[in-house]
Amino acid sequence: EIVLTQSPATLSLSPGERATLSCRASQSASSSLAWYQQKPGQAPRLLIFGASNRATDIPARFSGSGSGTDFTLTISSLEPEDFAVYYCQQRSSWPGTFGQGTKVEIK
Amino acid sequence: EVQLVESGGGLVQPGGSLRLSCAASGFTFSPYTMFWVRQAPGRGLEFVSGILSNGRATYYADSVKGRFTISRDDSRNTFYLQMDSLRVEDMAVYYCARERGGYYFDLWGQGTLVTVSA
Repeated sequence: EIVLTQSPATLSLSPGERATLSCRASQSASSSLAWYQQKPGQAPRLLIFGASNRATDIPARFSGSGSGTDFTLTISSLEPEDFAVYYCQQRSSWPGTFGQGTKVEIK
Repeated sequence: EVQLVESGGGLVQPGGSLRLSCAASGFTFSPYTMFWVRQAPGRGLEFVSGILSNGRATYYADSVKGRFTISRDDSRNTFYLQMDSLRVEDMAVYYCARERGGYYFDLWGQGTLVTVSA
């Protein structure tokens, strides 16, 4: 089973700053990697699939990159509504695994 | 509106049972693989159980094997999670989700809370 390690655990930034979130896989996950955003009391929301494809209605400030074992979610300029927890998820064997999450908090 | 709506959560004593339901609407339900994903208080996301279209195959996390049973009724656009022998560690918000592309989840329900306590 592939283990996903997300870093940092917490990212403290101000609105307008750039956020860079990392997700590292213990083995190659090819490009079968997704990112989700979760706000308190809400269900997760799909942001990115296939490592770099934005889901429907996701703003262009969210971008994903990487392949193999190293993946990155970038938020180019943080909006107030972007402060949340972000999870990566991959498929190696069905159904895959989630990372432990990165919390993006207001500095 | 395309949506998933869970129901059936609540308070149950250890060793008890609950049946969760997830009703789909706004899309053709039958071709999709569906999953239950849970989140314990303050914790991350954990796959619980999944079922392929037509019930061809199922998945269970090791922690729930032999206690939980997933099923679907395509005529009702609904799938279920029968949870027996519940433990304190099963306490969580349970989300249903629609799988796409063989691994990611593009549609989630709002979640239903399962509390296991004496």
